[in-house]
Amino acid sequence: RKEVEQDPGPFNVPEGATVAFNCTYSNSASQSFFWYRQDCRKEPKLLMSVYSSGNEDGRFTAQLNRASQYISLLIRDSKLSDSATYLCVVNMNTGFQKLVFGTGTRLLVSP
Amino acid sequence: EPEVTQTPSHQVTQMGQEVILRCVPISNHLYFYWYRQILGQKVEFLVSFYNNEISEKSEIFDDQFSVERPDGSNFTLKIRSTKLEDSAMYFCARNTGDSGNTIYFGEGSWLTVV
Repeated sequence: RKEVEQDPGPFNVPEGATVAFNCTYSNSASQSFFWYRQDCRKEPKLLMSVYSSGNEDGRFTAQLNRASQYISLLIRDSKLSDSATYLCVVNMNTGFQKLVFGTGTRLLVSP
Repeated sequence: EPEVTQTPSHQVTQMGQEVILRCVPISNHLYFYWYRQILGQKVEFLVSFYNNEISEKSEIFDDQFSVERPDGSNFTLKIRSTKLEDSAMYFCARNTGDSGNTIYFGEGSWLTVV
């Protein structure tokens, strides 16, 4: 089983749509969880951390289910500028920050 | 404004040559990391560096690779005897040092080995 697994997509959605990304991780001892956004040939940029209670930042909502080892990201009212690859990232917490990345889910928002 | 500055932004090198990639933090941080991303693949952890010592390294980070902070400021990744498969984007990253320990990435150095 892959350490962090995501549907690669692409997800093609119209502007204004709601889209959800899912991610599973294999190490039950993982402690920290993140969603990063990556534009083509650019560095990953932190979108949001994911907490057990779930958290929201504007149009973005992240959820964590530790029992199922499952993380989700919901984007409401999609904008053209949301087009990017969304990376599910897990900190394996081996003492220092060792992030394990999923392969990413590509989102294309069209007019 | 990037959290760290990386140079060069792009380097083309011949197979077998040595390459040094540099990372300059905006402010004084103790925790640094190198990650790489081969085109079309996922981001992979290479090494973490704390207080001028390697704290953890991945299986990828073999004897071909080394890191150091020679002048207390620049943080370098050296790749000896480059191979075609070393072609990738190399990202330097740093910790925020807060309780969330969020990692922020530099803009990357794109290495092409020919």
